[in-house]
Amino acid sequence: GAGVSQSPRYKVAKRGQDVALRCDPISGHVSLFWYQQALGQGPEFLTYFQNEAQLDKSGLPSDRFFAERPEGSVSTLKIQRTQQEDSAVYLCASSLWQGEQYFGPGTRLTVT
Amino acid sequence: AQRVTQPEKLLSVFKGAPVELKCNYSYSGSPELFWYVQYSRQRLQLLLRHISRESIKGFTADLNKGETSFHLKKPFAQEEDSAMYYCALRTKGGSEKLVFGKGTKLTVNP
Repeated sequence: GAGVSQSPRYKVAKRGQDVALRCDPISGHVSLFWYQQALGQGPEFLTYFQNEAQLDKSGLPSDRFFAERPEGSVSTLKIQRTQQEDSAVYLCASSLWQGEQYFGPGTRLTVT
Repeated sequence: AQRVTQPEKLLSVFKGAPVELKCNYSYSGSPELFWYVQYSRQRLQLLLRHISRESIKGFTADLNKGETSFHLKKPFAQEEDSAMYYCALRTKGGSEKLVFGKGTKLTVNP
C-alpha cells in the first residue's frame, strides 16, 4: 500500500509569505507527527495528533506555526510570515497508537 | 528533559570491519530506544527498537540503563550499510513523540 505522502516536495517562499504543507498519512493510522529537520541536524518534534485531537504542540517554535487535522486524516502545517530560520525539511510521520512511526519523504522549505 | 547524544558526526570503516555507532541518552524515567536509518535519497525508516531485541540486517543494539547507552553494532560492515543513522528516544506513557540525536553518517569503504 501507499506510504505517507507529503506535498509539495519543494517549496520556495519569500520572507514574509505564508506557506501550507500537506501530509497524507497511511490509512488507518491514528497518530500523526510533524518534525522539522534543519541542515545537518536530526529531526526535531513539532506537534502530534491522535485522530483530530492535537495532543502535544510543545515543539512548535512560535505562534507563526499552526497545524491541523480536522477529520483525523490529512494534516496541514501552516507557517505564517515565514522567516529565513524556517528553512528546513519538514517531515510528517504516522503510526498506529504507540506503534512504529512511518515517515514521509519530507517537504524542503527554502525561505529567501 | 529528554536528550539523545550521538558523539560521532562521521564514521568511516572498511568493508568487513566491525562498526559501532554510539548513542547516549538522558532521561530520568524508563525510555524506549530506537535506531532509524536514512539511505541516500530514501526516507527515514526504522531499523530496530530495543524492546524487540531482534537483529536487523546484521545490526544489534543493547539498552544499557546503567550507562544510559544504546549503541548500534554490526560485526562485519557492508558497503550497502552506508547511510545516516539516527538514535531516538520515546518516553513510556507520555507523548508519543520521538527525540532524535543529530545523527551519524556511516561510510563503508570497499
